Amino acid sequence: DSGVTQTPKHLITATGQRVTLRCSPRSGDLSVYWYQQSLDQGLQFLIQYYNGEERAKGNILERFSAQQFPDLHSELNLSSLELGDSALYFCASSPRGAASDTQYFGPGTRLTVL
Amino acid sequence: GESVGLHLPTLSVQEGDNSIINCAYSNSASDYFIWYKQESGKGPQFIIDIRSNMDKRQGQRVTVLLNKTVKHLSLQIAATQPGDSAVYFCAENTGGSARQLTFGSGTQLTVLP
Repeated sequence: DSGVTQTPKHLITATGQRVTLRCSPRSGDLSVYWYQQSLDQGLQFLIQYYNGEERAKGNILERFSAQQFPDLHSELNLSSLELGDSALYFCASSPRGAASDTQYFGPGTRLTVL
Repeated sequence: GESVGLHLPTLSVQEGDNSIINCAYSNSASDYFIWYKQESGKGPQFIIDIRSNMDKRQGQRVTVLLNKTVKHLSLQIAATQPGDSAVYFCAENTGGSARQLTFGSGTQLTVLP
């Protein structure tokens, strides 16, 4: 158990819908990262937050957004969902968000778009 | 573009043997590398890391070797056990303002009885 929690574990929805994925980092970690894992793209970095502020952006679609709250939990919002958005979404956390920080991953949310 | 890649997509080893999983990286600016293990239906689990100022680091039954000259990373697992069966990813961080990890495609390790 990494100490990172994610809810829900599974999510099934329809195209065009909007969903919110939630992540709670390890106790004491200030930085949260979101990754998408699909069969054809592997693990792809989406976005990073540090202490409530956006720190880095990766291959995140404009239909996707995220935020980190004062209690340091983070939410990833996916809207206008398409079939291709079906994937595993992982959250990771690290103490300082520094390049040399180890990132610890949560168990993931499996999103299925029908 | 630059990316982290793995030489072999699958690796089968006999229980008790040593396993070696390889990874090639192309970004010479990378200064931090991590190996993760991912079991089916679970998130990536940290195994071991190494910084670019080192060429070897040992953990419990695992050793990571870094060869910066040829941009090669390897994970050695001693006395491989059935519980080691999983997908193994190497990841690199180029440091600076880029704090995200770039992952390789993964190697499926299967431990045979």
